[in-house]
Amino acid sequence: DSGVTQTPKHLITATGQRVTLRCSPRSGDLSVYWYQQSLDQGLQFLIQYYNGEERAKGNILERFSAQQFPDLHSELNLSSLELGDSALYFCATSGLSHTDTQYFGPGTRLTVL
Amino acid sequence: DAKTTQPTSMDCAEGRAANLPCNHSTISGNEYVYWYRQIHSQGPQYIIHGLKNNETNEMASLIITEDRKSSTLILPHATLRDTAVYYCIVRGLGGSQGNLIFGKGTKLSVKP
Repeated sequence: DSGVTQTPKHLITATGQRVTLRCSPRSGDLSVYWYQQSLDQGLQFLIQYYNGEERAKGNILERFSAQQFPDLHSELNLSSLELGDSALYFCATSGLSHTDTQYFGPGTRLTVL
Repeated sequence: DAKTTQPTSMDCAEGRAANLPCNHSTISGNEYVYWYRQIHSQGPQYIIHGLKNNETNEMASLIITEDRKSSTLILPHATLRDTAVYYCIVRGLGGSQGNLIFGKGTKLSVKP
């Protein structure tokens, strides 16, 4: 158990809908990273937040957004969902330094029908 | 793109050491080598990381060559539960370099 929690574990929704995925970091971790894992693309970095502010962006679509709240939990919002958005979504958290090790949560499996 | 090259798959007998190689010939002086593994569709699990020196923890050992262009992850006594995809990742410092760039990894199958 990494200490990182993600909810929900599974999410099934329809095309065009909007969903919110939640990540709670390990105690003391300030950084949150979001990753997407699809069958054809592998694990890809989406976005990073550090202490409430966006720090880095990866291959994140404009339909996707994230935020980190004062209690340091983070939410990833996915809108206008398409079939191709079906994937595993992981968050990882790390401590004060940007060289600190990232610890991953168990993931949310999103299925878009 | 991933900065590392790993074999697609490897087999190992249960109880034997598993040696997983990784090439990272373009690594910079301030970049670390990280190893993660992913069992089925679970979240990637951190194993070990290093900069220059060899490292050991309760899970594995990491051997980095002197020129830092390659490394080997060693699981000393592999068990069936070590069957997973193992990712070797070169990670920079700060900003967008802080995130992890995953390649395809090595699928390790531990057989009885």
